[in-house]
Amino acid sequence: EAQVTQNPRYLITVTGKKLTVTCSQNMNHEYMSWYRQDPGLGLRQIYYSMNVEVTDKGDVPEGYKVSRKEKRNFPLILESPSPNQTSLYFCASSQQGRSPLHFGNGTRLTVT
Amino acid sequence: SQQGEEDPQALSIQEGENATMNCSYKTSINNLQWYRQNSGRGLVHLILIRSNEREKHSGRLRVTLDTSKKSSSLLITASRAADTASYFCATAALNTGFQKLVFGTGTRLLVSP
Repeated sequence: EAQVTQNPRYLITVTGKKLTVTCSQNMNHEYMSWYRQDPGLGLRQIYYSMNVEVTDKGDVPEGYKVSRKEKRNFPLILESPSPNQTSLYFCASSQQGRSPLHFGNGTRLTVT
Repeated sequence: SQQGEEDPQALSIQEGENATMNCSYKTSINNLQWYRQNSGRGLVHLILIRSNEREKHSGRLRVTLDTSKKSSSLLITASRAADTASYFCATAALNTGFQKLVFGTGTRLLVSP
C-alpha cells in the first residue's frame, strides 16, 4: 500500500532534549516536505526536499533541521525543543512536478 | 506567508444539503488544490485545478477558480455525515512553484444526520 509513515504518533518531551521524528515513503517520490499545524494558523511549511541531498527552508524553519540521505526518508530533527514547538507535525511527499501531496498521519508533539 | 484564506471558518448543515466553501489567495498561481482532513489525521487530496481551468468536477465535488478575483470555491453536493471534516485550499504560486505549496486555515464542516 502506498503510504507515508511517520513515527512516533505522539511524543511528549522536555525543553532542550533533542528528538527526531521519522518520515518514510514507499512511493519513490522525489519531493518531501514537513509542515506544522497549529489552531488558527493552518499548515505552515518547515522544510522541503526536492531530492536526495537537496533541502530548503519553508516558511518556519527556525529551530528545526532535516536531512535527506535516502530518497525514502526525510527525518525532522529538533536539536533543542522549546514549548513553542508544541504542535501537530505532518510529513508529505509527491512526485516531482505537479502531482498532489500524500500526507502521513501526523505526529503530535508536546514540549514541556 | 499565508496565501489561502477559507471562508467560512465553520459550516454546519444537514445531510442532503449542499456545502460551499470559498478560498481567496493573494498572488498569481500555477494551480490550486483542495484537501480534506478528518479530525487531526493526515490531509487527503481531493481535487486540483490549474490556473487555466475554470471549473472541475469529481464525483460530488465541484471546484471553480476565478483567477481575476483570486478566489476558488468547493461545492459538495448532497452532503453526508461522513463528509464532516476540515477542508483546506492550497496554492502553488507562480514565483515559488509546487515545492512551496501554501495552505489556508481551513473550513470546518459539520454534517448532521
